[in-house]
Formats: sequence, structure tokens, C-alpha cells
Amino acid sequence: AQSVAQPEDQVNVAEGNPLTVKCTYSVSGNPYLFWYVQYPNRGLQFLLKYITGDNLVKGSYGFEAEFNKSQTSFHLKKPSALVSDSALYFCAVSSGTYKYIFGTGTRLKVLA
Amino acid sequence: KAGVTQTPRYLIKTRGQQVTLSCSPISGHRSVSWYQQTPGQGLQFLFEYFSETQRNKGNFPGRFSGRQFSNSRSEMNVSTLELGDSALYLCASSTGLAAYNEQFFGPGTRLTVL
Repeated sequence: AQSVAQPEDQVNVAEGNPLTVKCTYSVSGNPYLFWYVQYPNRGLQFLLKYITGDNLVKGSYGFEAEFNKSQTSFHLKKPSALVSDSALYFCAVSSGTYKYIFGTGTRLKVLA
Repeated sequence: KAGVTQTPRYLIKTRGQQVTLSCSPISGHRSVSWYQQTPGQGLQFLFEYFSETQRNKGNFPGRFSGRQFSNSRSEMNVSTLELGDSALYLCASSTGLAAYNEQFFGPGTRLTVL
């Protein structure tokens, strides 16, 4: 069965420090992996995706993610966190067989 | 280009009633998906429509139904509302059915069932 795990409900990081939000997945076949961000009272916004090719994917607002096939992970990273990055982050996986399974979300809190 | 719009933004209903939610996708997008978001369950996929046909369906009871019109606008209906249906209902559109397409989400409709 296809699944996505975000092991941390909340991540706290100081402003200016690097941040990592973790995501692991389980899917048969080749996965397409996504990160979305949700601000309060808003829908989800697309950040980045991995389809194929280079394992390091760059996206919006300075975020990037690294696809690791052997560890079945797709962690979201940013070199220097901003207070405005505080939000709810969702990882999602999709494949030819299944469409869009989302993780349970990780709340990122960037402290000034 | 205008984003995905959803109406209404807020709804309060009582148990046993039914409700219809509306979604207008981004112009040119032909695929519309619906999700239920709750604090405990996260985002749960309801169904996806493309060219007025339901193409994928999540694991929800038959009380949840939807349709898509020729202009790609979509509606979702929930009949015989239960307290557990209280949630944020999100609509998302994309250009097509390919699994690698990113989705563009509307702001959601917050449904409260009393």
C-alpha cells in the first residue's frame, strides 16, 4: 500500500538556522513526490516536486528537497529559516496507480 | 490568472441535513480533486473529476458525491450530515490526470455540523 510518513508533528528552529522537515514514503513503482505549505485559513500552496532526474530539487521561497531512493525519503530543507516560513508543511506522493497520498503534516515554527 | 475559488467559505449545518460545495478551477485546468482536511486525519482524498467523469475515488461513504460540469466547475454534495463531517473541504485543480502534475488548491470551505 502507498503511504507517506512525516515523523515530526512540529519542528522548531531559530531564525537564520537551517531547517529540515522529514518525509518518508512507501510506494510501488516510481514515485512522484511533492511538498506543499499551508498558511492559516488558506489552502495548500505547491512548493516543489520530484519527478525524475537530479535528486536535489529546488522550489519556491528558497526551499529545496532531496530525493533519496535507498532511504525512500524526500526531506524538505532550507539553508536559513525565516519567521515567515512558520506554517504547516505537507509531503505527498503520487504514482501511476495511486493519486496523491498526503502525510499528516508538520508544523514548522521559526523563532525570532 | 485567477486561482481556484470555492464557495461558500463557511457553512454551519445540523445533523441530517445535506450540503453542496462549489469549486471553480483555474482557467484551462480540467482536473478537479476534492479533499477533506481534519486535525486528526490530515488530508483525505475524496474524488477526482476530469472531463465530467469521476476518475478516482477515495475511501468515503456514498453520502459523499460530486460532479463536474462542462466548464470544469465542480460541486461536492454531502447528504445526511454527521458530526464527524465537520472539516475543511479543499478543492484542487490541475492541468490533467498525470500523477506528476502539481495541484493548485482553493482556500477551502469550512463545514461545521451541529
